[in-house]
Order: sequence, then structure tokens, then C-alpha cells
Amino acid sequence: KAGVTQTPRYLIKTRGQQVTLSCSPISGHRSVSWYQQTPGQGLQFLFEYFSETQRNKGNFPGRFSGRQFSNSRSEMNVSTLELGDSALYLCASSPNPTASNTGELFFGEGSRLTVL
Amino acid sequence: KQEVTQIPAALSVPEGENLVLNCSFTDSAIYNLQWFRQDPGKGLTSLLLIQSSQREQTSGRLNASLDKSSGRSTLYIAASQPGDSATYLCAVDDSNYQLIWGAGTKLIIKP
Repeated sequence: KAGVTQTPRYLIKTRGQQVTLSCSPISGHRSVSWYQQTPGQGLQFLFEYFSETQRNKGNFPGRFSGRQFSNSRSEMNVSTLELGDSALYLCASSPNPTASNTGELFFGEGSRLTVL
Repeated sequence: KQEVTQIPAALSVPEGENLVLNCSFTDSAIYNLQWFRQDPGKGLTSLLLIQSSQREQTSGRLNASLDKSSGRSTLYIAASQPGDSATYLCAVDDSNYQLIWGAGTKLIIKP
């Protein structure tokens, strides 16, 4: 069974540009959540999608957005990139949404974004 | 607001020792607590999931306990091996439908 796949694995952008990251969950999983990991802030929740609906959003500016498609694949977009957006962006999938009491998470390897 | 703390931030022990990693949380209204490991530059691997109604979970040499009333969880690793070297993170799935993460404990097992 294939795991969670994130693309691209590495990318370099300059300030002001935008970026789109992709996440393909494990087959049959309908929940996809996104996290930002930085050395200073650790892991922070961005948003979660379940059956194409955003269930929850973390405390990030509107420049961070996402969506989920009918096949459960998800994308996140960051517009007007800032230096502080440099981070490892992790995607996780689960059969059920968080707070369902059974929501074990399966993570991808992440997309490492560097903003110059 | 839920806060999750992990102590210690780093730990270095000789191979073969048993060790305990700690995780504390401020709000006992959680749905579950999970322990993960992260290898450098990699994603996270789920180790153990403890549901709110459970007291502990075991997988191989790992045992995780949960005490909601005191806001604590421990991850016990028996007979540590160099391959256990990684960062261990705990996360609580709280009543706000999101995971709140600890900062992690970086574990080094010396051969």
C-alpha cells in the first residue's frame, strides 16, 4: 500500500513569489491535514480537509490556503512568499478526521521550501 | 488554550538502557494523544496512539501511558538501541479539532 506522497520534495523560491505543494494521501483516506515545521516554532497546524471540506484552520495569515479534490488529493498554496515561510511542510492523511478518537496519522516526507 | 510540553529537550544515553520521555498538557479535554518519531529531514512516523479512554498502549519495546487527570503521558523505551536515535514528539488531539504538538525530545543512543 503506497504511503503519503508529497511533491515537490525540495524547492527554492524568492520573496513575493507563490508556491503550490501537493499531497496524495493513502488510498481510502479522506482526511488530509497540513503542518508547518520550523526550528523556532516547531510543528504548527495549518489546516485540515475531510471530504473536500476544510474542517479547521490554524493561526496562519490568509496567504496560506488549501483545497482538497474529490480523489482526496490536496494542495496548499502560499502567496506572496516571505523569508519566514521557509520551512518543512508536512502533510498527513487519516481514514477519519481528527477528534474522531481513532485518527492515527500517516505523514509524508514533506516539502522543504526555501525562500530567498 | 492547550499547551504541550516535552521534557527533556534532549537526552543522550548508552545503548541498552531503559528510558522515559515525558509529555505534559494543560487541558485534560483531549480525544487522544499520539507519540511520533522523526528522523532528520524526514516526515513523522506514528508510534503509539492512546485514546482518551485508555491508560496505556504497547508496541514492541515501546510503552506509552496516559494520565488525563494530571495532564501527563510518558513514553517508555526498553533496551534502547542506536536505531532509536531520533526526535520524539507527542501531540494531543483536543476539543478544537486540531493537533497540538510538543517541541520534541531529541534522543541519542550511544553505541
